[in-house]
Amino acid sequence: DQQVKQNSPSLSVQEGRISILNCDYTNSMFDYFLWYKKYPAEGPTFLISISSIKDKNEDGRFTVFLNKSAKHLSLHIVPSQPGDSAVYFCAASATGGSEKLVFGKGTKLTVNP
Amino acid sequence: DTGVSQDPRHKITKRGQNVTFRCDPISEHNRLYWYRQTLGQGPEFLTYFQNEAQLEKSRLLSDRFSAERPKGSFSTLEIQRTEQGDSAMYLCASSARTGSYYEQYFGPGTRLTVT
Repeated sequence: DQQVKQNSPSLSVQEGRISILNCDYTNSMFDYFLWYKKYPAEGPTFLISISSIKDKNEDGRFTVFLNKSAKHLSLHIVPSQPGDSAVYFCAASATGGSEKLVFGKGTKLTVNP
Repeated sequence: DTGVSQDPRHKITKRGQNVTFRCDPISEHNRLYWYRQTLGQGPEFLTYFQNEAQLEKSRLLSDRFSAERPKGSFSTLEIQRTEQGDSAMYLCASSARTGSYYEQYFGPGTRLTVT
């Protein structure tokens, strides 16, 4: 069973517009959520995170929103830039124990100039 | 560069051979994780260490896989009698507590191809 789901395999946006990437989770024990960006042949790069005690976290052009009742989070990138083109992974963990990350399958974002 | 490093970056081996990968974590990060990523999937947890102790192993980690972290520094992941299904990207991550949470930082990965 897939505990973290990214239902859009790909997304294409114009430079300067907003990119919205979505993620759903099923495990109620998850209380920490992260977004990673990955370029081909590289490891994932940490982008932004949010704990379950918050509903929003902002870092520059990146904002993550968490809706716990819907078990849904989203990543907003404003304004989008061509360098943002990459695969974005949503990940979740439960504090205590290993705190291992459970990843979605990723969304490939393409920002067109 | 003080990030997580992995060696080798690429490994091609024949089925049945043994392979070993190395991960050097960020200095003073006490936790080290191994993940595996196959095509079209997100990374999947394999195992983790707190200092030198291996505290959890995924059911994905068959008895052909073994991981060590001697002295709580670098880690090695060995796969014995490789199979074609072992072909994947093997990722290492290290972390230390940031406030209430552990944020994991990944290395570049080792891409294994079993022919």
